[in-house]
Amino acid sequence: AQKVTQAQTEISVVEKEDVTLDCVYETRDTTYYLFWYKQPPSGELVFLIRRNSFDEQNEISGRYSWNFQKSTSSFNFTITASQVVDSAVYFCALSETAGNKLTFGGGTRVLVKP
Amino acid sequence: DARVTQTPRHKVTEMGQEVTMRCQPILGHNTVFWYRQTMMQGLELLAYFRNRAPLDDSGMPKDRFSAEMPDATLATLKIQPSEPRDSAVYFCASGGQVWTRGNTIYFGEGSWLTVV
Repeated sequence: AQKVTQAQTEISVVEKEDVTLDCVYETRDTTYYLFWYKQPPSGELVFLIRRNSFDEQNEISGRYSWNFQKSTSSFNFTITASQVVDSAVYFCALSETAGNKLTFGGGTRVLVKP
Repeated sequence: DARVTQTPRHKVTEMGQEVTMRCQPILGHNTVFWYRQTMMQGLELLAYFRNRAPLDDSGMPKDRFSAEMPDATLATLKIQPSEPRDSAVYFCASGGQVWTRGNTIYFGEGSWLTVV
């Protein structure tokens, strides 16, 4: 069975600090897909990134970056120079097959103070 | 921008009443998911469909919940009778069967249900 663990339940930082969110996953499949979603206070779930298991290149998108380490089954997410608008709950998720269901971690609440 | 549309956005109902939530998936997406979010359980899958056929509804209490796709543009989640423990946010999501770059699972804004 697949499982996603986000050990950090809440992180509080001051604006402009960097923050790293941890995600550890378990799966028996050799091909799988990892996701990050953002849930701002308004409640919607916003897709941030999808990573395929066979592509271990790290990715950067503006102030966001993702570090995929297959050897440690981790897919960590870093926000550089955090801003108040980054305050949200962030979810890591796993799918074992393209087009298949997502299994979510418990989420990490990020609070960025001005 | 294409998006998943859910109605109602907010619903307050009395225990015992029937609740129907509707979802319009993104045009062209053939997989539709229903998730429920609560403080205690987090995000949990209730059911999902591919090409309108149910693939997995093991997460759904069968005695009171039912999910259907009458056509490719409409998915419904019905609770009858509703109970206070059903109070949650219900998300619909849709995706294609093959994930190319930029094609993935997108969520609607959620239906916030309160059963009193």
